[in-house]
Amino acid sequence: DAGVTQSPTHLIKTRGQQVTLRCSPKSGHDTVSWYQQALGQGPQFIFQYYEEEERQRGNFPDRFSGHQFPNYSSELNVNALLLGDSALYLCASSFFPSLRQGASTEAFFGQGTRLTVV
Amino acid sequence: LAKTTQPISMDSYEGQEVNITCSHNNIATNDYITWYQQFPSQGPRFIIQGYKTKVTNEVASLFIPADRKSSTLSLPRVSLSDTAVYYCLVGDPVAGRRALTFGSGTRLQVQP
Repeated sequence: DAGVTQSPTHLIKTRGQQVTLRCSPKSGHDTVSWYQQALGQGPQFIFQYYEEEERQRGNFPDRFSGHQFPNYSSELNVNALLLGDSALYLCASSFFPSLRQGASTEAFFGQGTRLTVV
Repeated sequence: LAKTTQPISMDSYEGQEVNITCSHNNIATNDYITWYQQFPSQGPRFIIQGYKTKVTNEVASLFIPADRKSSTLSLPRVSLSDTAVYYCLVGDPVAGRRALTFGSGTRLQVQP
């Protein structure tokens, strides 16, 4: 069973360009979240998708957008790239079988896409 | 979401037991405590999750006192491969497909 897969693994872009990152969730998972991790810091939540809609969003500008497809895979798009967008971009997938009190869930992360903006 | 505080870094030697403590004074009734491990250039990996008392799995143990204002991740007999960043997270795993809030984590360095 493949885990969370992300592509590409590394990417170099120029300031002002646009980039698209891709994520395939773990089999059976319907929820995809994206995180940005700058060097030496913990991951920061960007947004979350399920049922093909953005459901939650962190403190990121509108330059960051996304999409979820019917097969639950997802894309992260970043427009007008800035040098500060250089980071490891992580995709995490999860599922929620029920809203039973006390249910324990975990998120599975991909290896990430290392984006360098020059 | 409850904020967590954990040491920035810790050093240990192979074969020792390592205990990493996390403070979460404002933990809510429905919140669970979850620990993730992250190696360089990889995504975080779930280690363990608990609500109260003690939880143990094949990788670690998690100790949570009665007031739940802190928790301790215990790694028995660490090896060089346990060198990583460890994150303590607090939140309700059920409510609303929660977003994970990571702090800066604890950087564990295991020496030979």
